[in-house]
Amino acid sequence: NAGVTQTPKFRVLKTGQSMTLLCAQDMNHEYMYWYRQDPGMGLRLIHYSVGEGTTAKGEVPDGYNVSRLKKQNFLLGLESAAPSQTSVYFCASSYSIPKETQYFGPGTRLLVL
Amino acid sequence: AQKVTQAQTEISVVEKEDVTLDCVYETRDTTYYLFWYKQPPSGELVFLIRRNSFDEQNEISGRYSWNFQKSTSSFNFTITASQVVDSAVYFCALRALYNFNKFYFGSGTKLNVKP
Repeated sequence: NAGVTQTPKFRVLKTGQSMTLLCAQDMNHEYMYWYRQDPGMGLRLIHYSVGEGTTAKGEVPDGYNVSRLKKQNFLLGLESAAPSQTSVYFCASSYSIPKETQYFGPGTRLLVL
Repeated sequence: AQKVTQAQTEISVVEKEDVTLDCVYETRDTTYYLFWYKQPPSGELVFLIRRNSFDEQNEISGRYSWNFQKSTSSFNFTITASQVVDSAVYFCALRALYNFNKFYFGSGTKLNVKP
């Protein structure tokens, strides 16, 4: 039982390049989330999904797209990377009911030059 | 509006001292859930505790204890006899019943425990 895994762990991009971050969970969770963490700002929700085939915008969705084609995977895409997207990205998953805890992946550190 | 405030940006203590991390929240919901997460230097986020708004009992788990006071909208976290391994950033978070797809995180408190 690996929990929540993220690929890659670290990536350097040039401005304008694109990339996809992969999140996978093996806990059969319905809900999945993408956050970004910036110094002094805690975690901010980018996009989330309440089930396979569904996605929704979070607090800071601009510049990102997501897809949930399979229940266990949640992809975060950057179509044209900008230096402002330099951050640590965390994926999380949870069961559907509100009291349930979100379990986080190890994070992906992204540097956009 | 939902909001979580962790006013202490950074705290430094000497090993074996007790330390309390403050968390104050704002919500209009009557049912909500509060969480604490630990982020050690390695970077992962580790779940510590969940508390729902109807349960104001304090909780103790080993050296960790939590004091939930609805009257002051606070959910403070105390580490007794701190250890170097407790050095980390600690986040408080809020999740509302009817807006449950969103976690509202505080900005975190960095705890430095010196030997």
